[in-house]
Amino acid sequence: AQRVTQPEKLLSVFKGAPVELKCNYSYSGSPELFWYVQYSRQRLQLLLRHISRESIKGFTADLNKGETSFHLKKPFAQEEDSAMYYCAVRLKTSYDKVIFGPGTSLSVIP
Amino acid sequence: EAGVTQFPSHSVIEKGQTVTLRCDPISGHDNLYWYRRVMGKEIKFLLHFVKESKQDESGMPNNRFLAERTGGTYSTLKVQPAELEDSGVYFCASSQDQRTGVSPLHFGNGTRLTVT
Repeated sequence: AQRVTQPEKLLSVFKGAPVELKCNYSYSGSPELFWYVQYSRQRLQLLLRHISRESIKGFTADLNKGETSFHLKKPFAQEEDSAMYYCAVRLKTSYDKVIFGPGTSLSVIP
Repeated sequence: EAGVTQFPSHSVIEKGQTVTLRCDPISGHDNLYWYRRVMGKEIKFLLHFVKESKQDESGMPNNRFLAERTGGTYSTLKVQPAELEDSGVYFCASSQDQRTGVSPLHFGNGTRLTVT
């Protein structure tokens, strides 16, 4: 069955420290991976997608097909990065279905 | 452009009652999704509309849940009769036609449902 796992439910780091939010997926096809973020009192929104190979707000994520991972990284965490982060995969076997991981709550300590 | 809107933002009902949630997607978005987040747990897929057709409703928990999208515009999700375990936040999201390229999901603010 297709699954997205995020092993850390809670992650706390100090401001300026590197941060890595882990994501692994199980999917037999060619996946499209995304990271979504929900800041306090805001709606869930797209942070970045693997096909764009972009850096958003200092975050990057590399798709590693060998390890079936799509970890989110930032070299220097900022207080405004505190939020709930969800890894998601678009399943191409089902028309445009997107499933989410359980989420990781990131807290950046000043 | 206006974002995805959901109504109501909160609903508190008693077990056995009926509740209808509404979602207005971004205009022109063919794909409409319903998701649910139960306290402390993951965002679970409920179903997916492409225009007015149900493309995938494999995530609907049982026949107490009924979703419609008449005319391919707004969608409603009815829970009848509601049970305690139905409490959670119900999210709606929309995206453009996949054929136009990889399109991200645009989420509404969610409806927080509390069944007492």
